[in-house]
Amino acid sequence: ETGVTQTPRHLVMGMTNKKSLKCEQHLGHNAMYWYKQSAKKPLELMFVYNFKEQTENNSVPSRFSPECPNSSHLFLHLHTLQPEDSALYLCASSQTAVLNTEAFFGQGTRLTVV
Amino acid sequence: DQQVKQNSPSLSVQEGRISILNCDYTNSMFDYFLWYKKYPAEGPTFLISISSIKDKNEDGRFTVFLNKSAKHLSLHIVPSQPGDSAVYFCAARNYGGSQGNLIFGKGTKLSVKP
Repeated sequence: ETGVTQTPRHLVMGMTNKKSLKCEQHLGHNAMYWYKQSAKKPLELMFVYNFKEQTENNSVPSRFSPECPNSSHLFLHLHTLQPEDSALYLCASSQTAVLNTEAFFGQGTRLTVV
Repeated sequence: DQQVKQNSPSLSVQEGRISILNCDYTNSMFDYFLWYKKYPAEGPTFLISISSIKDKNEDGRFTVFLNKSAKHLSLHIVPSQPGDSAVYFCAARNYGGSQGNLIFGKGTKLSVKP
């Protein structure tokens, strides 16, 4: 248990569906992140929120839409995805986005787009 | 082009012996390095880190060595235990960059045999 909880753990969705991934952290951290891990590829940063403000958008397609209503919650809204978007989506948090502190990861959501 | 490379996709070690996981990087502006461990169906877990001003950091059975001139770091696990079997990711951060700017390697799968 890392203090970062992601739901759902598994998700299968069609290309025309709209779904959301949820992340919640109980660590009092101020920075939250979305990462994507595709098969045989390194972890790729998607979005960074620091004190609820988005500070990074790593050239992510607009079919992925993040939302950070407060420092404890982070959502990733999905719509009209493609099969190649199938991957493990990981949420992480850290004390802030700047200091030399490690990130704590959730267990991930395994997404399959059919 | 990958900035953080873990050239060994897998490593097998006997219990009680030393495990050495290697990581090479290309960007001389990296100033902070981390190792994460990942079990199947779980998110990565922070293991140990090192700042570029140091060449060694030790935490129990885990030691990270940094050779800046060679742009190489390694993780030593002594003695190795079956519970250490996991995928190990090396990550690096750009000088002045945020926690979210971690660049990850593809990982090395360590198997420790009883």
